[in-house]
Formats: sequence, C-alpha cells, structure tokens
Amino acid sequence: EVQLVESGGGLVQPGGSLTLSCAASGFTFSNYWMHWVRQVPGKGLVWLSRVSSDGTTTTYADSVNGRFTVSRDNAQNTLYLQMNTLGVEDTAVYYCARLISWGYFDYWGQGALVIVSS
Amino acid sequence: DIQMTQSPSSLSASVGDRVTITCRASQTISTNLNWYQQKPGKAPTLLIYEASILQRGVPSRFSGSRSETEFTLTISGLQVEDFATYHCHQSYSFPFTFGGGTKVEI
Repeated sequence: EVQLVESGGGLVQPGGSLTLSCAASGFTFSNYWMHWVRQVPGKGLVWLSRVSSDGTTTTYADSVNGRFTVSRDNAQNTLYLQMNTLGVEDTAVYYCARLISWGYFDYWGQGALVIVSS
Repeated sequence: DIQMTQSPSSLSASVGDRVTITCRASQTISTNLNWYQQKPGKAPTLLIYEASILQRGVPSRFSGSRSETEFTLTISGLQVEDFATYHCHQSYSFPFTFGGGTKVEI
C-alpha cells in the first residue's frame, strides 16, 4: 500500500525555519518525481516545489523561491522541505504528493500544519 | 502563469441531483487537467486525470469533459459521500496551478 506520511509541522516564529519530512512506503520511491503543495485552511491548493526522481532537478514557485529548499534521500525513502525566513503568509497545511508521469498527483500525504506566529 | 478560474465557488444540492463544476484555463492546456475531491481535514484524492479519464476505483457517476480551455466535472446522481470540495489542477506547464475550489454542500 502506497503511503506518504508528513512530519515536522508546528508553530514557528516569523523569520524562523522549519523542515518538513515526507516518509514514503509501498512503492519504489526513487522512480518518482515528488512535489510539495500547500493549502491555507479554507482556501485553495497552491503548488510549491518539485524534485526529480534522482534529486538533481528542483523547481519552485516564485513565492518560495530562495527561501524553501526541496530535497530527497532515496536511500531513506524520504522527501524534505526546508523552509527559511518564514512569514505569517506561510501558515498553511503542507502536503507532499507523488506525481505520475502523465501529470497528475495520485497519492498525497495527510498534511502537516505549519503555523507562523509570534 | 496559467490561471484556472473555477466556478461556482460553492453550491447547494440534494442527493440525486446532477452537479456541474467548471474550470476555465487562461490559455490552452491541451487535456492536462485533473480533478480532485477533498473532504474536511483530509488530503485531496484524485478523481479524474487528463480531463476525462476516471481514476481506478472512482464511481462512474463522476465524469469529466473538455471544450477548448473549458473543463467540466459532472456528478450524475449526487450521493451523500460526494459532499466535499472539488479542485481542478492544470499540469500543462509550471508552475502547476489549481482552481479556487468548489464546495458542494447539502
């Protein structure tokens, strides 16, 4: 059974940093591009970043480019999102998701809530 | 960036109703349009990909169609378990973008 389990969410002060993890199981993690998507509660979904199956290629949304870093450890079947210089506007639920080559997300993690507040 | 305009933002319906949700892309996206269902406190789940292909395990009352840059999700015979929020998603080009969501309420 495919599973994506996020961890690392929590409360952080403005200007602070946080790293989210997404532990994958039930599939060959190293075969898939992985993505991060976030959602302010009650609002729509926003794509944030992606990383290639081998970890060598990354892409970011303008809103997080230069502040967030996506990476992966294929030996540990884990995806990461390092978030720096966090602002209140980064408060959201963060999802990791597996992309199928046709271009759709077939599995999502359960979400990790990040609250940026003083 | 490609803008996805989803409408309506919310609707009220009854069990058994036929429901239609529309997503319009700001430019051509071919058939690179996906639909997800999201229930409160849960992650989205895939319903339809490539505009009209039903994901395995999704009931056949869900269907998707395309007319140029306008995409439609139809639920034929709304069931209790279908009350949720629906999101469209374009995967034609980066950054990927989503519609604003449609909340289907009783």
